[in-house]
Amino acid sequence: VQLVESGGGLVQPGGSLRLSCVASEFTVSSNYMSWVRQAPGKGLEWVSVLYSGGDIYYADSVKGRFTISRDNSKNTLYLQMNNLRPDDTALYYCATSTPVLKRYYPFDVWGQGTMVTVSA
Amino acid sequence: QSALTQPASVSGSPGQSITISCTGTSTDVGAYNYVFWYQQHPDKAPELIIYDVSNRPSGVSFRFSGSKSGNTASLTISGLQAEDEADYYCSSYTSSSTSHWVFGGGTKLTVL
Repeated sequence: VQLVESGGGLVQPGGSLRLSCVASEFTVSSNYMSWVRQAPGKGLEWVSVLYSGGDIYYADSVKGRFTISRDNSKNTLYLQMNNLRPDDTALYYCATSTPVLKRYYPFDVWGQGTMVTVSA
Repeated sequence: QSALTQPASVSGSPGQSITISCTGTSTDVGAYNYVFWYQQHPDKAPELIIYDVSNRPSGVSFRFSGSKSGNTASLTISGLQAEDEADYYCSSYTSSSTSHWVFGGGTKLTVL
């Protein structure tokens, strides 16, 4: 199982970016898929989840600005980020669990992350 | 401020044991056994080392063990090795209507 993120970059405050997470040897619609971010030198912060059944949730810090979605035909998870702020600067990981462990709700599969920098 | 509270740093000598605490509330750590620990080496993605409070994924050393009492979870690493030097994060799946997963602020383990 492999996850590969892309789409990060440098954006001005108020700008937008769309992150992508392509899954291999795994179907994104079969399990919960999350975005977790890590600001430089800081800890992990859960951002959003899209469950297999379609339920979606967001952290309060991004609610109303970020949108999680998936394209089953492309086996890809997305994170549309609008109205970006400097405190959104972070390495964004796509994360999920293997089928064996998913009933315990861990993140045992992680991508390598894609860096988002919000700065003027 | 992180939802779960961990010490910022711990240290130990090779061969010793250390314990990292993780304090939450009755809506996260205290609510379920969905408590996890992650190890993160510099410039690497986190790796799950404990799930369901005390279970180790396949391939994780028996030297890592987890426990929970009330709203506080703990990670113990026995027989410290140089390769254990890393950041450790606790996490919990929560009953909150907003934040479904919460993390601790992380603990830097230094092997002296």
